[in-house]
Amino acid sequence: GAVVSQHPSWVICKSGTSVKIECRSLDFQATTMFWYRQFPKQSLMLMATSNEGSKATYEQGVEKDKFLINHASLTLSTLTVTSAHPEDSSFYICSASRTTRGNEQFFGPGTRLTVL
Amino acid sequence: GQQLNQSPQSMFIQEGEDVSMNCTSSSIFNTWLWYKQEPGEGPVLLIALYKAGELTSNGRLTAQFGITRKDSFLNISASIPSDVGIYFCAGYNYGQNFVFGPGTRLSVLP
Repeated sequence: GAVVSQHPSWVICKSGTSVKIECRSLDFQATTMFWYRQFPKQSLMLMATSNEGSKATYEQGVEKDKFLINHASLTLSTLTVTSAHPEDSSFYICSASRTTRGNEQFFGPGTRLTVL
Repeated sequence: GQQLNQSPQSMFIQEGEDVSMNCTSSSIFNTWLWYKQEPGEGPVLLIALYKAGELTSNGRLTAQFGITRKDSFLNISASIPSDVGIYFCAGYNYGQNFVFGPGTRLSVLP
């Protein structure tokens, strides 16, 4: 149980285009979903937290207009990187929690974004 | 803000050896979690600890929640090649976000 999937697993796009990443909880309802960014050889950096049906809460320094998050259902959250630039290239990982406390997070396999 | 430190940063061990790593914080956490991440993958939850002093095992892995609530350790017994990866600790308090440590990179030599 507690399986989280992400799609796509990797994507290469041209600068200026937008990219959508999906995060799905496959066998449980995710009250809360989280989006992280990870640079090579570094730890996970939380970008935003989203609850189903609510606006996402963004961490300081994360542009909400650039990283659009939608949590339309209890099993799906999407992250859209708008007008992507090479500096947005990174490993994006989502996680999902079964509780509002978020004290156990189950991570997706990640999406590697490369912006040319 | 809250920060976690992990020690060691990296380690090279021989297959069959035991491994010990720890995670420390200047702040108190009510939950400690240990994750393992392999290259190109998301972190996988290994052990979650909810009570100070708690000692929990998962196969060859054992983790303890420090009495002061400011630290936790993870032990791996009889390491095998598939133990290779980055081990992250995370601290959590209700109503707040996870705080991740920088990770301990483990390499196992055959």
